[in-house]
Amino acid sequence: GAVVSQHPSWVICKSGTSVKIECRSLDFQATTMFWYRQFPKQSLMLMATSNEGSKATYEQGVEKDKFLINHASLTLSTLTVTSAHPEDSSFYICSARDETEKETQYFGPGTRLLVL
Amino acid sequence: RKEVEQDPGPFNVPEGATVAFNCTYSNSASQSFFWYRQDCRKEPKLLMSVYSSGNEDGRFTAQLNRASQYISLLIRDSKLSDSATYLCVVNPGYSTLTFGKGTMLLVSP
Repeated sequence: GAVVSQHPSWVICKSGTSVKIECRSLDFQATTMFWYRQFPKQSLMLMATSNEGSKATYEQGVEKDKFLINHASLTLSTLTVTSAHPEDSSFYICSARDETEKETQYFGPGTRLLVL
Repeated sequence: RKEVEQDPGPFNVPEGATVAFNCTYSNSASQSFFWYRQDCRKEPKLLMSVYSSGNEDGRFTAQLNRASQYISLLIRDSKLSDSATYLCVVNPGYSTLTFGKGTMLLVSP
């Protein structure tokens, strides 16, 4: 199957700093990528849909000014958590949709964020 | 009613047992359905799609009942390596995925 990478795999930062997470589709082009967040023992929650060359679509309750998404190429989307706070600590997972298999999303390995 | 509802478990079964998970979804317009597997502290991985006619992949059988808005997954001859959380996933029709909280399976020797 298709491969999606995420970097970094984990990050620990101080409250108030910004953290950038990269999501790359390694062997296919992804017009659309998705960013999810998962708290312990909870389901994955879609945060936003990232569209190459246009603005991301955010889910209700997700602050677009706090979670900045950039999808500048067909293989890269970035999520920046600005002014991170301890409540932003979570498991952030991206997925990418292979346009040749429209219903299949391939997930990255996730990024664990811990804000102290 | 939650969009996708699953029994969180855990289901504790011995090796070789048959175990079944159920899932219900609220959006009757949902178009496609999946089971994903998520290991501890890892990303979800697609286990199988669920088709209206039911489908089987080795030891795994998935079924869909659109009238009852119900999806099932049957695992036969459980292996230790089947221990994981099984996520019921629904595409409500606009290319996004809605995840259930998952059902935890623990297979013991």
